[in-house]
Amino acid sequence: QQQVKQSPQSLIVQKGGISIINCAYENTAFDYFPWYQQFPGKGPALLIAIRPDVSEKKEGRFTISFNKSAKQFSLHIMDSQPGDSATYFCAASILWANNLFFGTGTRLTVIP
Amino acid sequence: GAVVSQHPSWVICKSGTSVKIECRSLDFQATTMFWYRQFPKQSLMLMATSNEGSKATYEQGVEKDKFLINHASLTLSTLTVTSAHPEDSSFYICSAAPPGAEQYFGPGTRLTVT
Repeated sequence: QQQVKQSPQSLIVQKGGISIINCAYENTAFDYFPWYQQFPGKGPALLIAIRPDVSEKKEGRFTISFNKSAKQFSLHIMDSQPGDSATYFCAASILWANNLFFGTGTRLTVIP
Repeated sequence: GAVVSQHPSWVICKSGTSVKIECRSLDFQATTMFWYRQFPKQSLMLMATSNEGSKATYEQGVEKDKFLINHASLTLSTLTVTSAHPEDSSFYICSAAPPGAEQYFGPGTRLTVT
């Protein structure tokens, strides 16, 4: 059973546009929601993370929106750049040091 | 941020042989490390949780006798794939968390079994 559902599977965005990736979860015990960026042949790198006590967190061009009642959270990448082309994974865990449940991933392509 | 390394980054072995993958936390101690497996164009799936000084906890469906995990020190965990077969070919990634901080992932090890 997929504990974290992610969409879309792939996304193509023009340079300068906004990339939006959505995730949903079922386990209300989850209290840590990170987003990871992964380039081919590399391990995932933490982009930004949020806890359920806030509805939004912004770091540079990256913003997480969190809707606790809907059990959904999303990643917005503003002013998308070709260098942002990668696979993005949402994840969730109970306490940030515990094992992570990953979404299925979104392959983002930013067209120059 | 904290650094997690893996060795080797890429290994090719023949079917039936065993291969060991190392995961090290370079600048922090980790009582717990995690091992994930990722098939091409798929997500990361947790294989096991490695605890220093005790037996690893394996996820359902992961053969503990095939994937041997040893967490011998606070900075090193090893995953040994025993009697490897082509279907074990995958990208193996470890992660670790410094005390009171989020997890950091290693760069991964690509295993190809011929």
